[in-house]
Amino acid sequence: SQQGEEDPQALSIQEGENATMNCSYKTSINNLQWYRQNSGRGLVHLILIRSNEREKHSGRLRVTLDTSKKSSSLLITASRAADTASYFCATDKGYSTLTFGKGTMLLVSP
Amino acid sequence: NAGVTQTPKFQVLKTGQSMTLQCAQDMNHEYMSWYRQDPGMGLRLIHYSVGAGITDQGEVPNGYNVSRSTTEDFPLRLLSAAPSQTSVYFCASSSTLAGAYNEQFFGPGTRLTVL
Repeated sequence: SQQGEEDPQALSIQEGENATMNCSYKTSINNLQWYRQNSGRGLVHLILIRSNEREKHSGRLRVTLDTSKKSSSLLITASRAADTASYFCATDKGYSTLTFGKGTMLLVSP
Repeated sequence: NAGVTQTPKFQVLKTGQSMTLQCAQDMNHEYMSWYRQDPGMGLRLIHYSVGAGITDQGEVPNGYNVSRSTTEDFPLRLLSAAPSQTSVYFCASSSTLAGAYNEQFFGPGTRLTVL
């Protein structure tokens, strides 16, 4: 079953705006990861946050993790048209076996 | 480094045929996994391996076999293809660094159609 559930399912914004995606999960985790997938392509790892971390930054990305609420958020600041893609959260319960959500489709218009 | 490579990129099978999807990585990663992605869905874990000679089932293992004779290779076998196995298949690998689980590196995928 899908453990992570992203919200919203789709998001449409203008270039320069910020994009926020949320992820909820059901069971305890070792870490939570965010991936990007361009149409028809493989997945690209964006950021990993461990269960004992609350916030992490990488370039224009900011991820938060609230283990008490079993939720995470991904913020992309100053979005660009090249950020258009599907974004997935994935939870790692151990042995690097990931459970993915269904993803958020982000469309950034010039 | 080539990273994670998968062959073939595309494959069409008839119901009942068997085939092997190849996956190889050159990063000396201990962990390797196979996922499938259906339209509008995230990835679901089929099988995984924590090292040569060790494999285990994931969420959707039925109809698939795996083996891990070397660290580099992790082939996925479809025993008797069914239309429900039409999907995009991704192989991934990762390592444990300082005892922690880390990011997974994904291959480009194999798009399989079963008629």
